[in-house]
Amino acid sequence: SQQGEEDPQALSIQEGENATMNCSYKTSINNLQWYRQNSGRGLVHLILIRSNEREKHSGRLRVTLDTSKKSSSLLITASRAADTASYFCATPSYTNKLIFGTGTLLAVQP
Amino acid sequence: NAGVTQTPKFQVLKTGQSMTLQCAQDMNHEYMSWYRQDPGMGLRLIHYSVGAGITDQGEVPNGYNVSRSTTEDFPLRLLSAAPSQTSVYFCASSRDRELGEQYFGPGTRLTVT
Repeated sequence: SQQGEEDPQALSIQEGENATMNCSYKTSINNLQWYRQNSGRGLVHLILIRSNEREKHSGRLRVTLDTSKKSSSLLITASRAADTASYFCATPSYTNKLIFGTGTLLAVQP
Repeated sequence: NAGVTQTPKFQVLKTGQSMTLQCAQDMNHEYMSWYRQDPGMGLRLIHYSVGAGITDQGEVPNGYNVSRSTTEDFPLRLLSAAPSQTSVYFCASSRDRELGEQYFGPGTRLTVT
């Protein structure tokens, strides 16, 4: 399967703590994206990191990309209860189809 | 803009029935796709389209048909529903074929009994 693997599958932290989730693929990754999904809703795009970038910031989000290891990480700093959601990575396959990871369920306790 | 809309929100079918899930976008996006989401499996691509009149298969196309007669609409047809097609279905669109930011609809929760 081309599907990306994310870990951890689930993460529970306290408000104010940082949350880190990781994503890895068996095939090469290119222009990796991260999405958030609130319960019962569609996915919302968070950030895109291009294959020639190693790190990117957007507000409280920090994304890293290691193309040699075919992996990426998403760090959410100073988490809030509103960050409670599932987070998915996605990257185009060699046939130009967007392949998603299995997701990390983040619970931020107030 | 309404963005990406999907109807219906919920649907229950009996095995063997057929139905069409509707998807529309008002952003003039070329790229549209259908995913299904099952617990623990993330999103899997069913079919996609890079423009009006052009469709192609994704990872799990069996049992589904699509067409793209206009830029705005991309319906998904279940030909003969099976319990294995119980899932949440998401439609998404993107501005270009380079697979940048995807805009997702709210989803259709389908149960096949």
